[in-house]
Amino acid sequence: DQQVKQNSPSLSVQEGRISILNCDYTNSMFDYFLWYKKYPAEGPTFLISISSIKDKNEDGRFTVFLNKSAKHLSLHIVPSQPGDSAVYFCAANPGGSQGNLIFGKGTKLSVKP
Amino acid sequence: DSGVTQTPKHLITATGQRVTLRCSPRSGDLSVYWYQQSLDQGLQFLIQYYNGEERAKGNILERFSAQQFPDLHSELNLSSLELGDSALYFCASSVGVGTQYFGPGTRLTVL
Repeated sequence: DQQVKQNSPSLSVQEGRISILNCDYTNSMFDYFLWYKKYPAEGPTFLISISSIKDKNEDGRFTVFLNKSAKHLSLHIVPSQPGDSAVYFCAANPGGSQGNLIFGKGTKLSVKP
Repeated sequence: DSGVTQTPKHLITATGQRVTLRCSPRSGDLSVYWYQQSLDQGLQFLIQYYNGEERAKGNILERFSAQQFPDLHSELNLSSLELGDSALYFCASSVGVGTQYFGPGTRLTVL
């Protein structure tokens, strides 16, 4: 059973507009959440994270929102740029001394010029 | 560049063989994690080491093993390889229990 779900396998957005990537989780004990970006033939690159005690974190063009009651988080990219085209993974940390991450299957974002 | 290095980048081998994947963490990071990414799948956690000791185990097969050496580099050993073991294998590191930084991965192809 998937604990972290990204229900949209792909998303296409026009350059300059907002990209919204969504992620749902099932375990209310998750400690914090992360978003990674992955280009083909490269490893995932850390983008932004959010602690379970917060509901928003912002870093430049990237903002992550956390809705604990809905067990939902989203990544907003504003404005979207063609270089943002990649696969985006949502990940959750279960907390405690174990730091392993639980990943969603990813959403492929295409930003069209 | 995340600072995490992995070798080799590509590995092609036959069923039944054994291979070793190597990872060097970022300078100062004590935790090393191994993940497997199969086709159309997210990253699946295999195993974590912290300062030379096994800390957590995920969906790691008994045919797979890992270790972390005193210089903190880690090796993932895959034996009795099967076609289904073909995947991308990523190593990540972190200072402790924190943000993980990933290496470029090793693409394993089992023929």
